[in-house]
Amino acid sequence: DSGVTQTPKHLITATGQRVTLRCSPRSGDLSVYWYQQSLDQGLQFLIQYYNGEERAKGNILERFSAQQFPDLHSELNLSSLELGDSALYFCASNRDSGANVLTFGAGSRLTVL
Amino acid sequence: GENVEQHPSTLSVQEGDSAVIKCTYSDSASNYFPWYKQELGKRPQLIIDIRSNVGEKKDQRIAVTLNKTAKHFSLHITETQPEDSAVYFCAASTTDSWGKLQFGAGTQVVVTP
Repeated sequence: DSGVTQTPKHLITATGQRVTLRCSPRSGDLSVYWYQQSLDQGLQFLIQYYNGEERAKGNILERFSAQQFPDLHSELNLSSLELGDSALYFCASNRDSGANVLTFGAGSRLTVL
Repeated sequence: GENVEQHPSTLSVQEGDSAVIKCTYSDSASNYFPWYKQELGKRPQLIIDIRSNVGEKKDQRIAVTLNKTAKHFSLHITETQPEDSAVYFCAASTTDSWGKLQFGAGTQVVVTP
């Protein structure tokens, strides 16, 4: 157990639908990162939040949004889902002060049918 | 932005032999280079990392070398064992966000007994 908790582990839904993925960072970590892992795109950085505020943005689609709450957990919202959104979505956390390594959660596997 | 290339994409080695994976990066500002190991269906796990002020780092059977002038870094695994079979990812980031990693495409390592 890495200390980074993600729910749900698996999610199957239909095109056009909306889902929410949840992440609780390791105790003491202020930064949360979202990564998408698909077969054709590999591991791609989506977005980072630090202590409730957006810190960095990567290749995140406009249909996707995220937020980090006061208790530091984060949610990634995926809307108007397409077949190509099927992927493993990882949350990771660190303290983001100095050279602190990134710890990944177990991931949420999304299948869009 | 940063671009990380990783070679080879697959690597088969006999148990006991050495494995070498090479990565190149494009952004001269990158100064943090972690390596992650990912077993099938599991989360990426950090196995070793190196910062730009160091040319080489070793941890038991694993070592990483960095050539900042040439912008490449390599992972060396000696005395490979079947449990080393996994996908290995190199990555790069900068001091403004240690966790915003640009990953290579990954190397599937198969260690045969």
